[in-house]
Amino acid sequence: DTGVSQNPRHKITKRGQNVTFRCDPISEHNRLYWYRQTLGQGPEFLTYFQNEAQLEKSRLLSDRFSAERPKGSFSTLEIQRTEQGDSAMYLCASSLDSPNEQFFGPGTRLTVL
Amino acid sequence: QKEVEQDPGPLSVPEGAIVSLNCTYSNSAFQYFMWYRQYSRKGPELLMYTYSSGNKEDGRFTAQVDKSSKYISLFIRDSQPSDSATYLCAKPPRGGSYIPTFGRGTSLIVHP
Repeated sequence: DTGVSQNPRHKITKRGQNVTFRCDPISEHNRLYWYRQTLGQGPEFLTYFQNEAQLEKSRLLSDRFSAERPKGSFSTLEIQRTEQGDSAMYLCASSLDSPNEQFFGPGTRLTVL
Repeated sequence: QKEVEQDPGPLSVPEGAIVSLNCTYSNSAFQYFMWYRQYSRKGPELLMYTYSSGNKEDGRFTAQVDKSSKYISLFIRDSQPSDSATYLCAKPPRGGSYIPTFGRGTSLIVHP
């Protein structure tokens, strides 16, 4: 257990529904990252927060995706109007000073039917 | 071309074997890289850094960078079934980004 928790661990939804995932980072970590990972691939960057500011977003991130970190602590990732191609593992990570030393949560596995 | 490339495997070896995992990279500007390990149904965890200036050793693990061939290697001595995992190499952020870039990972299976 790295100290980063994610909820839910699994989510099954029907196409077109909205889903929201939560990430609780290690408490003193000011940097928070969201990634998506599909089978046989490495983590693909989605978005990055430093404290409550969203400083970086992937160009691949569709406008159906939105993320928040309202008080610089936990973060939520929402996907609107889900599509089957959104099926993946969504990973959250946090770090203190270095972006290279990230602590990952166990992920939320999303299945869109 | 991705900046960090890995053969996805799987690589299957018997217990006790020496394992060699490799990545290639395309940009010579980086002075170090990272190796992450990911067990099934878990998030990745940082295993070690590897620097272009020489080998890095940590227990049974040795990492090295060959700048001339743009090759990053991770060696595991006396491999154990508990080493069965996916090994991801990653390059540090650059160009104003805060985000490292991960390879696709190589799946390793160590069978008893």
